[in-house]
Amino acid sequence: AQSVTQLGSHVSVSEGALVLLRCNYSSSVPPYLFWYVQYPNQGLQLLLKYTTGATLVKGINGFEAEFKKSETSFHLTKPSAHMSDAAEYFCAVSVGNAGNNRKLIWGLGTSLAVNP
Amino acid sequence: EPEVTQTPSHQVTQMGQEVILRCVPISNHLYFYWYRQILGQKVEFLVSFYNNEISEKSEIFDDQFSVERPDGSNFTLKIRSTKLEDSAMYFCASIGARGQETQYFGPGTRLLVL
Repeated sequence: AQSVTQLGSHVSVSEGALVLLRCNYSSSVPPYLFWYVQYPNQGLQLLLKYTTGATLVKGINGFEAEFKKSETSFHLTKPSAHMSDAAEYFCAVSVGNAGNNRKLIWGLGTSLAVNP
Repeated sequence: EPEVTQTPSHQVTQMGQEVILRCVPISNHLYFYWYRQILGQKVEFLVSFYNNEISEKSEIFDDQFSVERPDGSNFTLKIRSTKLEDSAMYFCASIGARGQETQYFGPGTRLLVL
């Protein structure tokens, strides 16, 4: 069965420092992988996704993630944190049949705090 | 930019009462989903819906739950007799067309069952 593990429920970085949020997945088929962000009192917003092709994917707000099949990882990074990056970050894997009957399996989430 | 909307944003209800959570997916989207997130826990898949019928449902989605697309725009989740453990944030999501992978989420409804 597919699953997602996010290491570190809380991550704290200084403004301007590297952000690294870890995500490992388990999937019996080639996965589609997603990072979503949730700002306080808001919904889930797509940051970036990997489906096929280039393994380094770039998303909004300067974030990127690299799909590493050998490590079953899809870690999220940003070279320089900004105060506005403080939010909850969720990694998810999409599973299902061909087409769109694909549900998302979620990690527990990582709360990112950015200190001035 | 089109977005998924959900109402109400917050709902408080008594145990045993029926609640209906409403979602308006992006207008030309075809595939619809409900997820929930109990406080401190993972986001969990509840149900997917396409062509006016349920495509898949999870073990959570028992006989107390139902979904409907009554008028071509709204997508509702009904809980017939709420339990304390139904307290959660409920998210609606939609996908546009076959082959598209991104689920677009609404802001959620926070349900509190007392």
